Amino acid sequence: QQPVQSPQAVILREGEDAVINCSSSKALYSVHWYRQKHGEAPVFLMILLKGGEQKGHEKISASFNEKKQQSSLYLTASQLSYSGTYFCGSLNQAGTALIFGKGTTLSVSS
Amino acid sequence: DAGVIQSPRHEVTEMGQEVTLRCKPISGHNSLFWYRQTMMRGLELLIYFNNNVPIDDSGMPEDRFSAKMPNASFSTLKIQPSEPRDSAVYFCASSFPGRNYEQYFGPGTRLTVT
Repeated sequence: QQPVQSPQAVILREGEDAVINCSSSKALYSVHWYRQKHGEAPVFLMILLKGGEQKGHEKISASFNEKKQQSSLYLTASQLSYSGTYFCGSLNQAGTALIFGKGTTLSVSS
Repeated sequence: DAGVIQSPRHEVTEMGQEVTLRCKPISGHNSLFWYRQTMMRGLELLIYFNNNVPIDDSGMPEDRFSAKMPNASFSTLKIQPSEPRDSAVYFCASSFPGRNYEQYFGPGTRLTVT
């Protein structure tokens, strides 16, 4: 079951904050965040496990609410380098591979 | 570390032709994934190998697609015959044992079928 991300796109100026949401209709045991810059490959940012959060990258953090089956990615004081498409992923039923959401495109301008 | 290596980076072919995409995972990684990315469908998992064995190929669109991993350092994704709707960026990714959530992606192959 593919996670659902919102919003689809965000436009920011440098220094502004943003929140990207990821939700699932099935139970989430972990949530995985990746970022893909234009023309490049996706890069792992962080994983959130049951009930916890793990800050993995720059000023980017995330939370995970397993009861609500959703996660949010927080980008604080955004920089130009934050621009890209952010994907959340959840493990497939077998727990062996990731199913990614359709992504949220973040554009940061100066 | 060289990272995941994919070739070719770009491929343009005519409908009906056979296309072979290649991937060399990071040394020491025992899981390998093939993804397809399009604007419409996003990033789709096609097939997943663990220790060179295909574990989940439920994402392979149809029989025209096949993937092999003859050894720990090489995998291929073949499309025969290719169709225009196969046009996409194909990524290969690999991960350490037990860390399938932290995948290292290759640069991708942009396939255009005319």
